[in-house]
Amino acid sequence: AAGVIQSPRHLIKEKRETATLKCYPIPRHDTVYWYQQGPGQDPQFLISFYEKMQSDKGSIPDRFSAQQFSDYHSELNMSSLELGDSALYFCASSLTGQVLKQYFGPGTRLTVT
Amino acid sequence: AQTVTQSQPEMSVQEAETVTLSCTYDTSESDYYLFWYKQPPSRQMILVIRQEAYKQQNATENRFSVNFQKAAKSFSLKISDSQLGDAAMYFCAYRNFGNEKLTFGTGTRLTIIP
Repeated sequence: AAGVIQSPRHLIKEKRETATLKCYPIPRHDTVYWYQQGPGQDPQFLISFYEKMQSDKGSIPDRFSAQQFSDYHSELNMSSLELGDSALYFCASSLTGQVLKQYFGPGTRLTVT
Repeated sequence: AQTVTQSQPEMSVQEAETVTLSCTYDTSESDYYLFWYKQPPSRQMILVIRQEAYKQQNATENRFSVNFQKAAKSFSLKISDSQLGDAAMYFCAYRNFGNEKLTFGTGTRLTIIP
């Protein structure tokens, strides 16, 4: 069965650079969630989208922005990167009416040097 | 705000034995959902089991079962007949009814001893 796809899987950037992470939800899923998991930390919710509209917002820095496109894929844009942004970024997706089934992608490991 | 607490940073169990991972949470809501996620070394987040708060019956999924005590705000995970592939970080997570985001605990690292 198709799963959530995230690209790239690994990304190395320097401080003050910009990064774009992409998430392709499971086909027919209309809701996308982004989580950030720092080293040795639990995942922290960043933001979610339903039908291309932001549906919830967590502890997402102002330097980060995200959107969901007409094909339901989502992109997380991160600017002015800081060392502390180094983390594993998960995308998850679900289908309206099946919100208990939130499927996670494999994550993008971002390293800021 | 809801909080999830996992008081056991690490646990170990002999292969084929049973282990229980603890989770407590704090909420003022009456309708919510609870989850256990497994994160193996691959770092993939895998849903193990889920529980709707309005259901009194404890959820079970093969060798995995929960002990949900709503009044005590406790949600422990029992793994029976532990297998080497069960070795992973286990995260307890909470989600409000009508909300979408998951709030995770700090995790318990489970080691399986052959």
